[in-house]
Amino acid sequence: GQQVMQIPQYQHVQEGEDFTTYCNSSTTLSNIQWYKQRPGGHPVFLIQLVKSGEVKKQKRLTFQFGEAKKNSSLHITATQTTDVGTYFCAGRMTTDSWGKLQFGAGTQVVVTP
Amino acid sequence: EAQVTQNPRYLITVTGKKLTVTCSQNMNHEYMSWYRQDPGLGLRQIYYSMNVEVTDKGDVPEGYKVSRKEKRNFPLILESPSPNQTSLYFCASRLGQGAGSYEQYFGPGTRLTVT
Repeated sequence: GQQVMQIPQYQHVQEGEDFTTYCNSSTTLSNIQWYKQRPGGHPVFLIQLVKSGEVKKQKRLTFQFGEAKKNSSLHITATQTTDVGTYFCAGRMTTDSWGKLQFGAGTQVVVTP
Repeated sequence: EAQVTQNPRYLITVTGKKLTVTCSQNMNHEYMSWYRQDPGLGLRQIYYSMNVEVTDKGDVPEGYKVSRKEKRNFPLILESPSPNQTSLYFCASRLGQGAGSYEQYFGPGTRLTVT
């Protein structure tokens, strides 16, 4: 079964509001990556987190890696219509080779103007 | 332009008819990977390759074959396609293992329908 879980599956957001999507793993991760896929498009790499407790920011996006390296979050402030899409997390289990990556099912974000 | 290309982009085929989806990258990347995307399941890794002649199974390798004879190409082969392989397939590549080389670039996708 899927070892990397994402919640929520869907997120409806009013333009200007904030929201957070969460990623949880049943086992410890070596790293966590986040991707964005626009409707009809392909996944686009956003960021990678490696260190326990790491926090990185990209403009209105804040990414966090949990202290136990089993969970991560993506927080978007002041949502814009350009934020529409599906956000995926992907992690490498510590027991896996560096080439193996497990994706979550994604959070589909719809923004209402 | 640095890119990952896939062909064909769309394919409708019948059960049992062997097919190959090609993937090529022009960035001299060591690592390439194939994923399938199905509604509600996200992306699942089929096979990956860490270098020429080095391939390994992902989470859903059954029914698929790959080869990596040259660095730029990583074809996905379905020897006997079945309807449960109907999906959207993505090829991806990245530079390698080291720091700064983990950014994965995806191709545009191949939508496969097996009837």
